[in-house]
Amino acid sequence: DGGITQSPKYLFRKEGQNVTLSCEQNLNHDAMYWYRQDPGQGLRLIYYSQIVNDFQKGDIAEGYSVSREKKESFPLTVTSAQKNPTAFYLCASSNRVLVNTGELFFGEGSRLTVL
Amino acid sequence: ILNVEQSPQSLHVQEGDSTNFTCSFPSSNFYALHWYRWETAKSPEALFVMTLNGDEKKKGRISATLNTKEGYSYLYIKGSQPEDSATYLCASLIYNQGGKLIFGQGTELSVKP
Repeated sequence: DGGITQSPKYLFRKEGQNVTLSCEQNLNHDAMYWYRQDPGQGLRLIYYSQIVNDFQKGDIAEGYSVSREKKESFPLTVTSAQKNPTAFYLCASSNRVLVNTGELFFGEGSRLTVL
Repeated sequence: ILNVEQSPQSLHVQEGDSTNFTCSFPSSNFYALHWYRWETAKSPEALFVMTLNGDEKKKGRISATLNTKEGYSYLYIKGSQPEDSATYLCASLIYNQGGKLIFGQGTELSVKP
């Protein structure tokens, strides 16, 4: 089935460790996005990529890094520089740049807890 | 920072009740308004993408309206069913935000049988 796969679903990390969240899509979408959800807040954009080998910072990029070496894959690394990394992370893709009103397709999310 | 606000934050209704919620967004530089349904332990799924003032869209028992001049959208559910229980997210695409969606905090709907 076509869709977006995020892994792992749950992840525990010690303070000071980097961790990478995986996001793979087989929808042949050009654009991919990473969002963060915190209780009582709307989804906030971390990074997005409109094409392979290119990506832009979103509203809360500090302490995160991404790569887009393949169209299907957009991994997110949460570095030790991220001050408050415990959160729920959602990956999404769209079949055209959003200014063309493409809807987002989401994964099921990854919950990161820093111990 | 431009805000998208949703109300109410949560809603509890009985099966068969009709209900509606509101999404308020900045009316300047508006480009599109998205509605998503997010069931527990699943992925958010798109319900509607709306762009034109006065637009009305319908999918089964769910419909939405859009007023871009005053900056609000309503989502209506007619005859709520327990399977409608979910968090409903709206997001506004603002032209001068580089094509980024700004999400509201969601309305959590619980429908009791």
